[in-house]
Amino acid sequence: AQSVSQHNHHVILSEAASLELGCNYSYGGTVNLFWYVQYPGQHLQLLLKYFSGDPLVKGIKGFEAEFIKSKFSFNLRKPSVQWSDTAEYFCAVANTGNQFYFGTGTSLTVIP
Amino acid sequence: GAVVSQHPSRVICKSGTSVKIECRSLDFQATTMFWYRQFPKQSLMLMATSNEGSKATYEQGVEKDKFLINHASLTLSTLTVTSAHPEDSSFYICSAPGLAGALGGEQYFGPGTRLTVT
Repeated sequence: AQSVSQHNHHVILSEAASLELGCNYSYGGTVNLFWYVQYPGQHLQLLLKYFSGDPLVKGIKGFEAEFIKSKFSFNLRKPSVQWSDTAEYFCAVANTGNQFYFGTGTSLTVIP
Repeated sequence: GAVVSQHPSRVICKSGTSVKIECRSLDFQATTMFWYRQFPKQSLMLMATSNEGSKATYEQGVEKDKFLINHASLTLSTLTVTSAHPEDSSFYICSAPGLAGALGGEQYFGPGTRLTVT
């Protein structure tokens, strides 16, 4: 069965600090990888996705993630966070059946 | 982009009653939709896959007789929580694939339904 783990449960950063959120997954077959963000009171929004090709993917709002196949990792990064990045971040893995499995989420608080 | 809606956004019901939650794809067709539940401060847990024209498939540990799923059309899936109990209180979210036939592709998520069972 698939599993997705996110190492950081709660991260607090000051504005302009750099961000890296860890994500590891376990699954033997072909998967697609995603990062979703959930702002307070809002529904999930796609930040970025990896299907194939360049393992470094760029998403919206300055976020990027790197797929390292040998480590089964898909870490999310942003060079300089803003207060508006305060949200819950979820890493997700999708199998070929379109079933999504989410990590436990990381709550990011950015202090102005 | 593709939009998925849910109705109602919030519902409060008494223990023992049943509650129906609707999930609609507004500008695209979805032969498959997915239902999740999210507990406070926790992640989304996939409950079941809703298939248009056939039975839903449930994840291990999810009671199919308690969480009835009906995929009535290419744009509508419903989740009925039968004989609800306080422990069923949660945030229920549906999603639909963005591209028809795209396996493992992007999902569009509904805004969720907050169920409170008293």
